[in-house]
Amino acid sequence: EDQVTQSPEALRLQEGESSSLNCSYTVSGLRGLFWYRQDPGKGPEFLFTLYSAGEEKEKERLKATLTKKESFLHITAPKPEDSATYLCAVQADSGYALNFGKGTSLLVTP
Amino acid sequence: DVKVTQSSRYLVKRTGEKVFLECVQDMDHENMFWYRQDPGLGLRLIYFSYDVKMKEKGDIPEGYSVSREKKERFSLILESASTNQTSMYLCASRLRWEAFFGQGTRLTVV
Repeated sequence: EDQVTQSPEALRLQEGESSSLNCSYTVSGLRGLFWYRQDPGKGPEFLFTLYSAGEEKEKERLKATLTKKESFLHITAPKPEDSATYLCAVQADSGYALNFGKGTSLLVTP
Repeated sequence: DVKVTQSSRYLVKRTGEKVFLECVQDMDHENMFWYRQDPGLGLRLIYFSYDVKMKEKGDIPEGYSVSREKKERFSLILESASTNQTSMYLCASRLRWEAFFGQGTRLTVV
């Protein structure tokens, strides 16, 4: 059975303090790994897709990387507006739907 | 930009009522999904549709049904609402691998 585990559950950073969020997964044939950002009371907003080990994607202060067992979302010099819940999801070769982790709640304080 | 629109942001219904949640996408996507999101449980798949009039059960279909009469519209139906269906409901659509979400419907059943 496909599993997606995100850690930590919650993370508090000072503005400018870089860190990483982890997403470890087990899936029978990875078609893609996805990162989303979700603000309170809103739907998830798509950030990145990673398809194969070694791949990296960047957007502003965010950088996503992928290995055969896990993905990291690196946040460099975060700002308070980066505060949100970050969700990781996997798409297996055999399935139609994304399987989500429970998310990491990030708070960046000034 | 992909636009996925859910008919209501907030909804309050009584136990036993039949409830319709509507979702419309404007990008001619084939795949559409309904998830529910609860604290500590993350996003769980209720139903998905890979074509007009085609549907598949997700992980938690009990108490729900769906309808897809047109490609752009996917409806979630709560046959007889119960208090344990109080949740955030999220619709998503997808052409290939990246899924795009609506803003969510916060449903409260009293």
